[in-house]
Amino acid sequence: DGGITQSPKYLFRKEGQNVTLSCEQNLNHDAMYWYRQDPGQGLRLIYYSQIVNDFQKGDIAEGYSVSREKKESFPLTVTSAQKNPTAFYLCASARASGRNLNEQFFGPGTRLTVL
Amino acid sequence: GENVEQHPSTLSVQEGDSAVIKCTYSDSASNYFPWYKQELGKGPQLIIDIRSNVGEKKDQRIAVTLNKTAKHFSLHITETQPEDSAVYFCAARGLISSGSARQLTFGSGTQLTVLP
Repeated sequence: DGGITQSPKYLFRKEGQNVTLSCEQNLNHDAMYWYRQDPGQGLRLIYYSQIVNDFQKGDIAEGYSVSREKKESFPLTVTSAQKNPTAFYLCASARASGRNLNEQFFGPGTRLTVL
Repeated sequence: GENVEQHPSTLSVQEGDSAVIKCTYSDSASNYFPWYKQELGKGPQLIIDIRSNVGEKKDQRIAVTLNKTAKHFSLHITETQPEDSAVYFCAARGLISSGSARQLTFGSGTQLTVLP
């Protein structure tokens, strides 16, 4: 089956610890995205990548880091510098970006709780 | 950067009635407007989208209208069914807050409940 997978589904971490969320896609999409979703709010863009080995900050990149070493993978690290990390994190991918307007496909999400 | 406002935040309708959700956007250069449906604990799924060169698009019970002059777009669901109950998000592809690129900015969501 083609699609986007995120793991784990639920994640708990202690304050002060870094944690990495996994996102993998087998859709052969060039672009990948990370969003944060808080209750009663829309999705906010953290980071995005339009091509391997390149990524850009979104609206709320502070306290987060990413890498894009492979086309299929776009892991997100939530660092201890992120002041309010408890949220639902969504990964998405799209066939292309830039001037092309293509549908973003979303993964099932990871719910991160900081204890 | 782009700012998208969505109303109402909650909407309850009787099964069979129509539901309308409205969004406004700020960036007049925004050119792509998708609508997503999100069920509890899952990722959003695209249900319909519209590009800026089109005023209306329909897909079975779902339709979207776009008014570029007024910078607003709406989702219309007719003959609602209980399985339509979910959170619906609008989005607009405009400049993000850093002003460096065009990406999707989402509205805050509408919780639609269809009562049987």
